Amino acid sequence: GAGVSQSPSNKVTEKGKDVELRCDPISGHTALYWYRQSLGQGLEFLIYFQGNSAPDKSGLPSDRFSAERTGGSVSTLTIQRTQQEDSAVYLCASTLALDTQYFGPGTRLTVL
Amino acid sequence: DQQVKQNSPSLSVQEGRISILNCDYTNSMFDYFLWYKKYPAEGPTFLISISSIKDKNEDGRFTVFLNKSAKHLSLHIVPSQPGDSAVYFCAASGNFGNEKLTFGTGTRLTIIP
Repeated sequence: GAGVSQSPSNKVTEKGKDVELRCDPISGHTALYWYRQSLGQGLEFLIYFQGNSAPDKSGLPSDRFSAERTGGSVSTLTIQRTQQEDSAVYLCASTLALDTQYFGPGTRLTVL
Repeated sequence: DQQVKQNSPSLSVQEGRISILNCDYTNSMFDYFLWYKKYPAEGPTFLISISSIKDKNEDGRFTVFLNKSAKHLSLHIVPSQPGDSAVYFCAASGNFGNEKLTFGTGTRLTIIP
């Protein structure tokens, strides 16, 4: 596609449920990042993929968060046993060779 | 700790005038700086960047200035247009091996017609 796409655009879930967020990067982009933006905050780095491997997971806030990337393309961010503090906009970005990052529209997650 | 700071949460500027958005950073290892623009319900859009070996980069109405000794950068928009109304994020990266971006909290710019 022309840009980074993310799905769903909005997700409302109940506390304790698991959620999966999907990111389709720009075709050919080797690096993929996940960030999140909580209310009134800047974007916070979560995890970085180079190809299918994740050399930097330092931003994941707890072991309830995990992510994978398959085929060097699509990535899924999974949050298990969601908590209200997980409510945020989750943004995915992709780039070619550590160049400028291009962002998707984000997934707004609301945990009730 | 907030390594990239945007101390002005909001700014209002008359159409046609200059908008100046400021950003400060604390990590001396940062060597690449970017500005992103964000409209509601959309992802951030890359605007302009500057490498630490430069002190100025210009692209049309947008100019970014970098003062390394002060660990300060600014974005100038001139002339300001109503379509420039958005939230502007300053971001920084370094040679950490992954180029993850560290973002400020953003400045909401409103251009008054």
